[in-house]
Amino acid sequence: DAKTTQPNSMESNEEEPVHLPCNHSTISGTDYIHWYRQLPSQGPEYVIHGLTSNVNNRMASLAIAEDRKSSTLILHRATLRDAAVYYCILNYGGSQGNLIFGKGTKLSVKP
Amino acid sequence: NAGVTQTPKFQVLKTGQSMTLQCAQDMNHEYMSWYRQDPGMGLRLIHYSVGAGITDQGEVPNGYNVSRSTTEDFPLRLLSAAPSQTSVYFCASSYSRFRDGLTYGYTFGSGTRLTVV
Repeated sequence: DAKTTQPNSMESNEEEPVHLPCNHSTISGTDYIHWYRQLPSQGPEYVIHGLTSNVNNRMASLAIAEDRKSSTLILHRATLRDAAVYYCILNYGGSQGNLIFGKGTKLSVKP
Repeated sequence: NAGVTQTPKFQVLKTGQSMTLQCAQDMNHEYMSWYRQDPGMGLRLIHYSVGAGITDQGEVPNGYNVSRSTTEDFPLRLLSAAPSQTSVYFCASSYSRFRDGLTYGYTFGSGTRLTVV
């Protein structure tokens, strides 16, 4: 499974945008880029996923580099509830591939 | 629509006991999987299933059994509990890839916190 690299931790101020980076230089053409987050004492929660084009949903935006070797999860206005561990995961698109979790980025949000 | 339901939420076992962690989903998802999460760590895949009657091993399968007799249920059995199996267990499910030409994210349960003494 292709590997991703994320910073261990990031800090943000409430109501400001947050850009969470992810490097995946060995991504293959069929790998989808998934983002999940895990709030304290909860199960992971799906945030967004994409293949080549940028994606938007009610939770966040996903910006994918043209060469697909990196991506950025964008939270447009951080709230205290967004404090969580964010995981960037490559998921093989040829079949229902498994999610292989790394250590993720722990996001802290300051009031 | 309940999503993914895991029971029990908490369990304490003695070393050598066996038990079954239950996972049920009501979204007609073909794919289901089990993960464990140790303190301060990411999730590690134990077993997964791509449909009823089909199961396969993940990264850390030893000490665990699974079966998938229905689309809805994917129980995880601990054969003889050991302190090393103290962890939080998460079940996840998803549609198979390219259903209706789309791809999907995974839905996780809220977890079972297991302590083996």
